[in-house]
Formats: sequence, structure tokens, C-alpha cells
Amino acid sequence: QKEVEQDPGPLSVPEGAIVSLNCTYSNSAFQYFMWYRQYSRKGPELLMYTYSSGNKEDGRFTAQVDKSSKYISLFIRDSQPSDSATYLCAMSYDYKLSFGAGTTVTVRA
Amino acid sequence: DVKVTQSSRYLVKRTGEKVFLECVQDMDHENMFWYRQDPGLGLRLIYFSYDVKMKEKGDIPEGYSVSREKKERFSLILESASTNQTSMYLCASSPPGGGLEQFFGPGTRLTVL
Repeated sequence: QKEVEQDPGPLSVPEGAIVSLNCTYSNSAFQYFMWYRQYSRKGPELLMYTYSSGNKEDGRFTAQVDKSSKYISLFIRDSQPSDSATYLCAMSYDYKLSFGAGTTVTVRA
Repeated sequence: DVKVTQSSRYLVKRTGEKVFLECVQDMDHENMFWYRQDPGLGLRLIYFSYDVKMKEKGDIPEGYSVSREKKERFSLILESASTNQTSMYLCASSPPGGGLEQFFGPGTRLTVL
């Protein structure tokens, strides 16, 4: 069983829709929970991170962590074509990251 | 603007060849990482280094080695390339104190024929 499970999609939504992405994990030692965004032919870039259970908002993006269920989510409100990318969840223990497989999202204009 | 650069965007090699992938960062970061990215598997850590001349095995080190002679440069070496090493290779760096945010290069698409 992989430490971090993420549905690879792909996901296709119309512009303005809410995008919902999620990951589950098995290692209780993970301390930080992150979402990276990767555009085509680019390396991943950190989008958001959270430390504790609960919600964190940044503009149109909301990251949610439920440590009791070992479940994290990312919501994108009012999605735009520029949000089309692969989204990877990542979790940190010490200074190493464990990544999910990534979900490819296409927002149709 | 912070930068992680990788020596090649695309590389085609033959089975059995020795392959060098180079990575350079200009952020004076202590930590550097090599990953491979495959569809459905995500990013998997091959090797990392937390200081010059220091290296640690990641999750999938078999068939790879690394070299870090200078702080800004981290090289991945495939001693004898095989077809199952065809993949996207990503280099990353992070400051000391934790890998919370890793800065990635654009990747090298390696094809081994």
C-alpha cells in the first residue's frame, strides 16, 4: 500500500465550477500537508500548505485536513482555464516529502 | 527570481550507456533532491543530499548514484541505463530546517532505447 493515495483523474470541469481534489494517507507521522501545482512541461510549485486539522483559505483555494481520518482536500472555487494543471498532494516528515500520484484538471472555457 | 536549472529538457540514450543528469540551484540551499515522475506513480524520491559531499538514499535508489561536489550542483548518474529508467527526472532544492517548500527544476525527459 502506498503511503499517499490520490485519484489520478483526469478531471474536466466547466469554467466557474468548484473543483474538489483529495488524498488519503497512512503514515501518522506526517506533519505538514501540501498541495503542489504542476503546469505542463514545468516542475511542481507549492500552492498551499497546512499543519493542523481544519481549513485554510487563500483566495479561491481552500485546503482542508482531517488528521483523524487521514484525509486531505483541496477545493478550487470559481475555477478558471488558467487553473488547468496537475495537482499533487504532498506530505512531510522530517525534511522529506511523500507525493500523491497527481490529479490532472482541465477547466473548459 | 529563484532558479533550479537542469542540464537538458530531453535526452535519448541507449541501453547500457552511462548517463549524467545535472542540476544547479542559485538559492544557496543546503538540501537537494532527485525524483522521477511516472504516470500513476507520482514523484518518487531517488536520492537526496543535505550538504556538500553528503548523500542519502531515497525510496528507489537502485540503479542510480549521485554526486555533490559543490553546494549549488547535484548530479544524478545512471551507471548503466536500462529501458525501465525511461522517465521524467525532476531536481529540487530546499533551505535548511525542513523540506516544507521544495523548488523544482523543469525536469529532464529521459528516454532509454
